[in-house]
Amino acid sequence: NAGVTQTPKFQVLKTGQSMTLQCAQDMNHEYMSWYRQDPGMGLRLIHYSVGAGITDQGEVPNGYNVSRSTTEDFPLRLLSAAPSQTSVYFCASSSGTLTSYEQYFGPGTRLTVT
Amino acid sequence: EDQVTQSPEALRLQEGESSSLNCSYTVSGLRGLFWYRQDPGKGPEFLFTLYSAGEEKEKERLKATLTKKESFLHITAPKPEDSATYLCAVRYAGNNRKLIWGLGTSLAVNP
Repeated sequence: NAGVTQTPKFQVLKTGQSMTLQCAQDMNHEYMSWYRQDPGMGLRLIHYSVGAGITDQGEVPNGYNVSRSTTEDFPLRLLSAAPSQTSVYFCASSSGTLTSYEQYFGPGTRLTVT
Repeated sequence: EDQVTQSPEALRLQEGESSSLNCSYTVSGLRGLFWYRQDPGKGPEFLFTLYSAGEEKEKERLKATLTKKESFLHITAPKPEDSATYLCAVRYAGNNRKLIWGLGTSLAVNP
């Protein structure tokens, strides 16, 4: 049981490049989400999904796209990287029921945009 | 405005010196308060969920309590391995699919 896995662990992009951050979970969780974590700003929700085929925007969705074709995978796409997207990105999953909402986080991807 | 505030921002303790971390919240209709631990370079790790005022949860040297306005994370006789950032998050009736996160308390326990 690997939990939540993320790849890559580190990435450097040039402004304007695109890339996909991968996230997978093996706990059969319906709810998955992407956060970014920046100093002094805490964890901010980018996008989330309540099940395969269903996604919605979080607090800071601009510049990012997601899709959820399977229960296990929830990739995050950066369309045209900007220096403001330099951050640490975390993927999380949860069973998402009303009484069980604790989230399990991946190890993170540290992204630098130059 | 719905928000979560954690204090202090940073705390340094000697091994064995007990203390408490605070998480105060202003939301309408609390649906759950969560404590997480985050080690440097890693993702947050779930510790506790509290749902109603008066509720308490314990795990090893940690005990979390909840009132109508705040939660405390009590650390009894801490050890150096308890050093981490402790994050608080709140789920509320306004949007039960999202959490409001605090900025965390960075705890350092010296041997």
